[in-house]
Amino acid sequence: QITLKESGPTLVKPTQTLTLTCTFSGFSLSISGVAVGWIRQPPGKALEWLAVIYWDDDKRYSPSLKSRLTITKDTSKNQVVLTMTDMDPVDTATYYCAHRRTLTTPFDNWGQGTLVTVSS
Amino acid sequence: DIVMTQSPDSLAVSLGERATINCKSSQSVLDSSNNKNYLAWYQQKPGQPPKLLIYWASTRESGVPDRFSGSGSGTDFTLTISSLQAEDVAVYYCQQYYSTLLFTFGPGTKVDIK
Repeated sequence: QITLKESGPTLVKPTQTLTLTCTFSGFSLSISGVAVGWIRQPPGKALEWLAVIYWDDDKRYSPSLKSRLTITKDTSKNQVVLTMTDMDPVDTATYYCAHRRTLTTPFDNWGQGTLVTVSS
Repeated sequence: DIVMTQSPDSLAVSLGERATINCKSSQSVLDSSNNKNYLAWYQQKPGQPPKLLIYWASTRESGVPDRFSGSGSGTDFTLTISSLQAEDVAVYYCQQYYSTLLFTFGPGTKVDIK
């Protein structure tokens, strides 16, 4: 059974850096084709993909946020970390991590999400 | 960038009736090398994460009831709920994953009971 869980601060101040950790079980991020991504959702709004990291350490970022995002993995700890710099109130959202089982399938298992509020 | 649009924004359907949601991509999401459309449908209920319903435009994820079906190819896609149940009240999103540079979601369609 695949599970993912997001953790990190619930409140950050404007201009600060957000660090979120996705801890997963039930799969290995060293298996060919497997990936973990981050998606966010502002309150009452649509989903927005942020970043994805693949088993071979290939990384892709949303073009509109690329300069602010870094995604890394620690395969031994079964964790994926997302950092987002220069946080702004518009970044207030629920942040999800999600599993992708192959290169030709979408995000099939999602964490419950963590709400991050950006406010001074 | 591939832009996804959905219609309608919301719809209300009587229990047991059919619900149809449309999704359009600004570019084709058909991979001609394997004839697969990289288009997915998700269901999101309040306070819950999205749940994958359909991938490759028409393949149901394991455990998804067969009243959910997907169709379409290229740039135009449809999600159909053949007989709406109370537990189907949710927001439905389409997503393209053809472009590995940007995974794009549609704006969502809210489905309610009439």
